Amino acid sequence: GQNIDQPTEMTATEGAIVQINCTYQTSGFNGLFWYQQHAGEAPTFLSYNVLDGLEEKGRFSSFLSRSKGYSYLLLKELQMKDSASYLCAVVYNNNDMRFGAGTRLTVKP
Amino acid sequence: SQTIHQWPATLVQPVGSPLSLECTVEGTSNPNLYWYRQAAGRGLQLLFYSVGIGQISSEVPQNLSASRPQDRQFILSSKKLLLSDSGFYLCAWSVKGRGGNQPQHFGDGTRLSIL
Repeated sequence: GQNIDQPTEMTATEGAIVQINCTYQTSGFNGLFWYQQHAGEAPTFLSYNVLDGLEEKGRFSSFLSRSKGYSYLLLKELQMKDSASYLCAVVYNNNDMRFGAGTRLTVKP
Repeated sequence: SQTIHQWPATLVQPVGSPLSLECTVEGTSNPNLYWYRQAAGRGLQLLFYSVGIGQISSEVPQNLSASRPQDRQFILSSKKLLLSDSGFYLCAWSVKGRGGNQPQHFGDGTRLSIL
């Protein structure tokens, strides 16, 4: 299988920084996506990593280490509207995307 | 720009009744199309994907089926719904890319409740 593991829940304070980790099985790896999903809504695309390193997009950054089977999503200057689930999705063998169960982030004032 | 339409937004159906959920994409041609189910508090489970008209791949055995009668239309069906079919159903599309490097874009979803 392609177990994709991420923490179930996290809590952080408005204005702070939070890091959401994702680990996955490396065999057949072809890329990794992060999605944001607000409660009751569809997931929306945040970032894509295929090479090692950090990709920065405004307040959000995503990191990948292919040898370790590890990625993280970093959210800076947290806002209340960042409260959502964050889904890690890994592409295997060119076209097979598998989603993790998601991390539910709660931002508190 | 590309848009994806999925309907209905919510549906309440009795056990044993049929199902038809429709998804259409605009503003792109020859997309990959996907149907997912998300149970409460769970991850997305891929049900079907399609790379072209009439080409359907099924990921899990179940009493659901999918069809792609037109390039940008994807339909999820069942002849007889089970209680376990309740969930949040999401349609998605992506551009065809090398190595699966294209993100998937999701419709607003259908919340299906089976009574």
